[in-house]
Amino acid sequence: NAGVTQTPKFRVLKTGQSMTLLCAQDMNHEYMYWYRQDPGMGLRLIHYSVGEGTTAKGEVPDGYNVSRLKKQNFLLGLESAAPSQTSVYFCASRTRTAILVYTDTQYFGPGTRLTVL
Amino acid sequence: GQQVMQIPQYQHVQEGEDFTTYCNSSTTLSNIQWYKQRPGGHPVFLIQLVKSGEVKKQKRLTFQFGEAKKNSSLHITATQTTDVGTYFCAGPHRGSTLGRLYFGRGTQLTVWP
Repeated sequence: NAGVTQTPKFRVLKTGQSMTLLCAQDMNHEYMYWYRQDPGMGLRLIHYSVGEGTTAKGEVPDGYNVSRLKKQNFLLGLESAAPSQTSVYFCASRTRTAILVYTDTQYFGPGTRLTVL
Repeated sequence: GQQVMQIPQYQHVQEGEDFTTYCNSSTTLSNIQWYKQRPGGHPVFLIQLVKSGEVKKQKRLTFQFGEAKKNSSLHITATQTTDVGTYFCAGPHRGSTLGRLYFGRGTQLTVWP
């Protein structure tokens, strides 16, 4: 049981290049999230998904696109990378079914450190 | 808009001293969660508080949820070097059933031996 995994762990891009970050979870969670973390800014939600085939915008969606073709995978795409997208990206997942009262816990992946030059 | 504010941003203590971080919300929260992120690591869930005035303890960590359910605190007694990291509070997005959380900006704790 690997939990939440992210690939790649590190990446350096040049301005204008594109890339896709992959998040995978083996906990059969319905909800998945993409966050970015910048120094002093905490975690900011980029996009999220409540199920296969559905996605929605979070707080800072501009410049990113996402897809959830399979329940276990959530992809984050950068079509034309900009230096402002240099950040650490975290994926998280959560179950929808409350086995216990208030099971809002989010499980995070190890992160992807992206640098855009 | 809905916000979760956390203070202080940084805290440096000597090993053995106590540490407290505070979290305040602009709106009433149905629950509040605390996460810890070690340097270079990812956020890990610590605890969730649900009831007004609730107090929970995990060894040297004490978590409180305010009576009005708008504020919370995390207190660490006699800090150890293993407590180093950033502590985040997070509250659910008001009116959302989709599990969205608002995270505070975190308190980065440094412990000197």
